[in-house]
Amino acid sequence: DAKTTQPPSMDCAEGRAANLPCNHSTISGNEYVYWYRQIHSQGPQYIIHGLKNNETNEMASLIITEDRKSSTLILPHATLRDTAVYYCIVRLFTGGGNKLTFGTGTQLKVEL
Amino acid sequence: DSGVTQTPKHLITATGQRVTLRCSPRSGDLSVYWYQQSLDQGLQFLIQYYNGEERAKGNILERFSAQQFPDLHSELNLSSLELGDSALYFCASSVGGGAGVPTGELFFGEGSRLTVL
Repeated sequence: DAKTTQPPSMDCAEGRAANLPCNHSTISGNEYVYWYRQIHSQGPQYIIHGLKNNETNEMASLIITEDRKSSTLILPHATLRDTAVYYCIVRLFTGGGNKLTFGTGTQLKVEL
Repeated sequence: DSGVTQTPKHLITATGQRVTLRCSPRSGDLSVYWYQQSLDQGLQFLIQYYNGEERAKGNILERFSAQQFPDLHSELNLSSLELGDSALYFCASSVGGGAGVPTGELFFGEGSRLTVL
């Protein structure tokens, strides 16, 4: 699996957009970008994933650069409940044993 | 609620003892994954089962073992417990995860917190 690099921490004001960056410069052509988050010792929660096109769901948007070497997770209107550790993970979409390899993630703190 | 059920939620035991953690995957999911999260290690992948067969193995100690039963629930057995085994143990499930089968996203349970005294 390709290695990812994320800032260790970020702050965001409630109601503003939170933009979380991720670098994955060694990503291969058939690897997807996944985002998960973990709210204080709860089980990690799936947010979104994509290959090369921008993706949007009810939780967030994922913007992947054209060269696929980096991506940004966007929480359009962050709330206090979005305070969590956010993990950017790159892995194959298919293939046996498709575990997720978690790095250290970004601790997002949403404040009033 | 992810649909993944883990029991027990909390467990306190002594060094040298043996415990069993149980996981029921989401209905229809064939893969079960076990992760360990301790304060200084982050989320570490232990092992994956797909439809009863071991599919991938991570940093799982020889003192630990797991299996997936015909009804697809899984158990993680931890023996000869040491203080350093104190951690949150998460189970996750996914619909796929076999060879050539799209995995789908992983859904995590709320974890079992193990304290070894």
